[in-house]
Amino acid sequence: EDQVTQSPEALRLQEGESSSLNCSYTVSGLRGLFWYRQDPGKGPEFLFTLYSAGEEKEKERLKATLTKKESFLHITAPKPEDSATYLCAPAYSGGYQKVTFGTGTKLQVIP
Amino acid sequence: NAGVTQTPKFQVLKTGQSMTLQCAQDMNHNSMYWYRQDPGMGLRLIYYSASEGTTDKGEVPNGYNVSRLNKREFSLRLESAAPSQTSVYFCASIPGQMNTEAFFGQGTRLTVV
Repeated sequence: EDQVTQSPEALRLQEGESSSLNCSYTVSGLRGLFWYRQDPGKGPEFLFTLYSAGEEKEKERLKATLTKKESFLHITAPKPEDSATYLCAPAYSGGYQKVTFGTGTKLQVIP
Repeated sequence: NAGVTQTPKFQVLKTGQSMTLQCAQDMNHNSMYWYRQDPGMGLRLIYYSASEGTTDKGEVPNGYNVSRLNKREFSLRLESAAPSQTSVYFCASIPGQMNTEAFFGQGTRLTVV
């Protein structure tokens, strides 16, 4: 069974304090990995797709990286508007119905 | 461009009542999905429709039925609601069946009492 674990469950940062979120997953059959952002009361919003180990993608203060067993979402100098829950979702062969969502890391950035 | 629209946004049902959650997308996407999201658990797939005219069970289909009415619309029906179906429900769509980003609706918060 495909597994995905995100850590920490919650993270509280001061504005400007950089940190990283972790997503670990089972490896066999991995076709890619998605990162989504979810604001309270809203649906997930797509951030990145990573396809192969060593790949990196950036968007504003966020950078996602992928290794063979895990992915990191690095947040550099976060602002309060970065507060949200960040979901990772490994994708396996067999179509989008095989995407497995993690439980997320709830990030709070304090001014 | 509305994207994925879900109705209603909130609903309270009594145990045993039935209801249909509506989802429509205006992006001409082929595939549509229904998820539920519960505290401490990731999004779990209930049903999906890979293309117009097809539907398949996901991870947690019991107690639900779906209809892909046309390419735009994909509805989720609870025939006899149970308290265990209290959850937030999300509809999503993607252009095809390949692994690509999904577009999610705003969700329906359902409480069954």
